Amino acid sequence: GAVVSQHPSRVICKSGTSVKIECRSLDFQATTMFWYRQFPKKSLMLMATSNEGSKATYEQGVEKDKFLINHASLTLSTLTVTSAHPEDSSFYICSARLGGTGHSYEQYFGPGTRLTVT
Amino acid sequence: AQTVTQSQPEMSVQEAETVTLSCTYDTSESDYYLFWYKQPPSRQMILVIRQEAYKQQNATENRFSVNFQKAAKSFSLKISDSQLGDAAMYFCAYRSALLSGNKLVFGAGTILRVKS
Repeated sequence: GAVVSQHPSRVICKSGTSVKIECRSLDFQATTMFWYRQFPKKSLMLMATSNEGSKATYEQGVEKDKFLINHASLTLSTLTVTSAHPEDSSFYICSARLGGTGHSYEQYFGPGTRLTVT
Repeated sequence: AQTVTQSQPEMSVQEAETVTLSCTYDTSESDYYLFWYKQPPSRQMILVIRQEAYKQQNATENRFSVNFQKAAKSFSLKISDSQLGDAAMYFCAYRSALLSGNKLVFGAGTILRVKS
């Protein structure tokens, strides 16, 4: 089946620094990747949609200058949290959508990254 | 905009018993997909079952089945013969069938506890 990985699985950074999270589709090409944020026992909140080779589309209320998303290849998207603050501490999940034609456009989820900002 | 509502924050079921998780949604579209995802303590999202709106037959995957009522915009998940490994947070989700409809719209989730 389609596998999506995220790296790192956990990261602790100091306030004011930047941290990069990678999302990779391991065995398929993903034309579209999604980044979500999840608070404990809450639902997934879509942050942005990234399409390979173009700028990401951010959801309302998400600061594009703070959460930089790059989708440079069909198998890799990165989320960089810039000038991180404690309130950015959260669980970040990516998903990848199979490319090509077809009706299902299934999304496959990565295992998530827990970010703690001290 | 589409919305998904899960009205049960928490549910409990005895091992080997059956439990039904509720989900309603709101949309003006006629063609779409509905999903149930499971998120165990590992927090890895796992697709449990998928239903295409144009199909009248309810989807079934082993012990998991849905009751899809399109007119009522209801999409409940039934778990039969519940197992300890079923304990997780369950999310109902909607996605448009339009080519531009990439996004999954999630409900708030239901925490399922399985008692031994």
